[in-house]
Amino acid sequence: NAGVTQTPKFRVLKTGQSMTLLCAQDMNHEYMYWYRQDPGMGLRLIHYSVGEGTTAKGEVPDGYNVSRLKKQNFLLGLESAAPSQTSVYFCASSYSMVDTSGLQETQYFGPGTRLLVL
Amino acid sequence: GEDVEQSLFLSVREGDSSVINCTYTDSSSTYLYWYKQEPGAGLQLLTYIFSNMDMKQDQRLTVLLNKKDKHLSLRIADTQTGDSAIYFCAESIFSGGYNKLIFGAGTRLAVHP
Repeated sequence: NAGVTQTPKFRVLKTGQSMTLLCAQDMNHEYMYWYRQDPGMGLRLIHYSVGEGTTAKGEVPDGYNVSRLKKQNFLLGLESAAPSQTSVYFCASSYSMVDTSGLQETQYFGPGTRLLVL
Repeated sequence: GEDVEQSLFLSVREGDSSVINCTYTDSSSTYLYWYKQEPGAGLQLLTYIFSNMDMKQDQRLTVLLNKKDKHLSLRIADTQTGDSAIYFCAESIFSGGYNKLIFGAGTRLAVHP
């Protein structure tokens, strides 16, 4: 069980270049998320997906696109990279469960992709 | 609005207890979480607490929730050097058909001999 994996681990881009970050999970989770982490800030949600074939915008979606063609994969695309997109990108997946207190959802995170845009 | 705040840095001696504090603003949060991030790694779920609970204990970890003051704390007993990491507090709000997580900026815990 690999959990949540991300590729690549590190990438350097020039302004205007495009790239795709891949997230894969083998836990059969319905929900998947893309976050970015910047210094001194918490994680901010870029896009999310509640199931195969569906995606939705999060808190900071501008400049990014996503696709969820297969349940286990969630792709994050940068069409024209900008220096402001230099960040660490985390993917997460989750499932819902009912515990003694109610409906609870736990998000499991990948190791991150460090992106530098020059 | 939705906002989660934490102090940025905490230094403790090995063997002492660590207390990391967090405040949040949205009273509709359902669950509150503590995640740990080690250098170069992703976030690892440590524990969580339902918003109607006051306390949860899990081995060396104790979570206290004061819902009236919207204050959450994580106590780590007998802190070890392996506990050195960044700790993120997050509140979960059900919105738009999914559980939205609002993260704090993280507290860097440094454990020294």
